[in-house]
Amino acid sequence: NAGVTQTPKFQVLKTGQSMTLQCAQDMNHEYMSWYRQDPGMGLRLIHYSVGAGITDQGEVPNGYNVSRSTTEDFPLRLLSAAPSQTSVYFCASSSGLRELFFGEGSRLTVL
Amino acid sequence: AQKVTQAQTEISVVEKEDVTLDCVYETRDTTYYLFWYKQPPSGELVFLIRRNSFDEQNEISGRYSWNFQKSTSSFNFTITASQVVDSAVYFCALRSNAGNMLTFGGGTRLMVKP
Repeated sequence: NAGVTQTPKFQVLKTGQSMTLQCAQDMNHEYMSWYRQDPGMGLRLIHYSVGAGITDQGEVPNGYNVSRSTTEDFPLRLLSAAPSQTSVYFCASSSGLRELFFGEGSRLTVL
Repeated sequence: AQKVTQAQTEISVVEKEDVTLDCVYETRDTTYYLFWYKQPPSGELVFLIRRNSFDEQNEISGRYSWNFQKSTSSFNFTITASQVVDSAVYFCALRSNAGNMLTFGGGTRLMVKP
């Protein structure tokens, strides 16, 4: 049982480049979300989805897009990367209001 | 809006000491869920406990115990006889029944020295 899988684990981008962080879960969870973790700021919610075809903004959505075409996948897109988006990104999923299961994280550096 | 505050940013103890990590939350909802997660140096987030707002019974799991007090909006976490392997960042989090957002506190970095 793979749980929540994120790729890539590490990525370096130049300012202005675009990229997609992939997230997949095999637990048939309806809820999926993306967080970013910055030093001293805990985890902040970027976007979330309560099911296929449904997405909504979290606390810090600017500069990011998401889509949810299937229950399993929830990719996060950076349209034009900025140094302020240097962070560690976590994807998570849950069933109902139970605990979130997190991926291993993706460390992104924007130069 | 909901908020979680972990006032202790860093705690350092010597092995075998007991340590309590504080968590204070704010929410207007009457039904909500509180969580604790552990993030060891390897970086993954490990679920420790989930507690709903109607269950104020304290919980003990081995060396770990949790004290939920609705009257003070606190959900504190105590590690008894700490060990070096307990060194990690610990996060408290809140999720309302009405919403879909899990709000995290800023985390407490616990360092257990041998």
